[in-house]
Amino acid sequence: NAGVTQTPKFRILKIGQSMTLQCTQDMNHNYMYWYRQDPGMGLKLIYYSVGAGITDKGEVPNGYNVSRSTTEDFPLRLELAAPSQTSVYFCASSVSRYEQYFGPGTRLTVT
Amino acid sequence: QKEVEQDPGPLSVPEGAIVSLNCTYSNSAFQYFMWYRQYSRKGPELLMYTYSSGNKEDGRFTAQVDKSSKYISLFIRDSQPSDSATYLCAMSESGNTPLVFGKGTRLSVIA
Repeated sequence: NAGVTQTPKFRILKIGQSMTLQCTQDMNHNYMYWYRQDPGMGLKLIYYSVGAGITDKGEVPNGYNVSRSTTEDFPLRLELAAPSQTSVYFCASSVSRYEQYFGPGTRLTVT
Repeated sequence: QKEVEQDPGPLSVPEGAIVSLNCTYSNSAFQYFMWYRQYSRKGPELLMYTYSSGNKEDGRFTAQVDKSSKYISLFIRDSQPSDSATYLCAMSESGNTPLVFGKGTRLSVIA
């Protein structure tokens, strides 16, 4: 059982480039989330989804976009990357809001 | 005032010690309280959750919630080097609202 998988594990982007962070879960969870974690700053919610076709903004959505066409996949799109988007990105899924299962993270550096 | 406050540490204790980790919060509507453990360069994993006030015990771990003081605690008995990790508290108002995370406390248990 793979749980939540994320690709890539690491990425370096130049300012202004775009990329998509992939997230897939095999637990048939309806809820999926994207967080960013900066050093010493905890987890900040970027976007979340309560089911296929339904997404909503979290605390820090600016500069990001998401889509949820299937239950399994929840990609995060960065358009026009900026140094402020240097962070570790975690995808999570859950049946209920509180018992969230996290992926291993994607370390992104924008230079 | 931030919604959830958590001392970032680091906290260093000898093996076998009792560890107390704490969070305070300002939103009296929080009803669900969670503790996540995050090993270095890994995603967080749910350790314990409690609903409303009271205590919950699971092996060497005890979670306490004092809603009157807006204060939650996680106690680790007989701490082990394998407990060395960052511990994040998280809270939500209901099963339908996003989690709010603390910044995390980094714990080192020295053998």
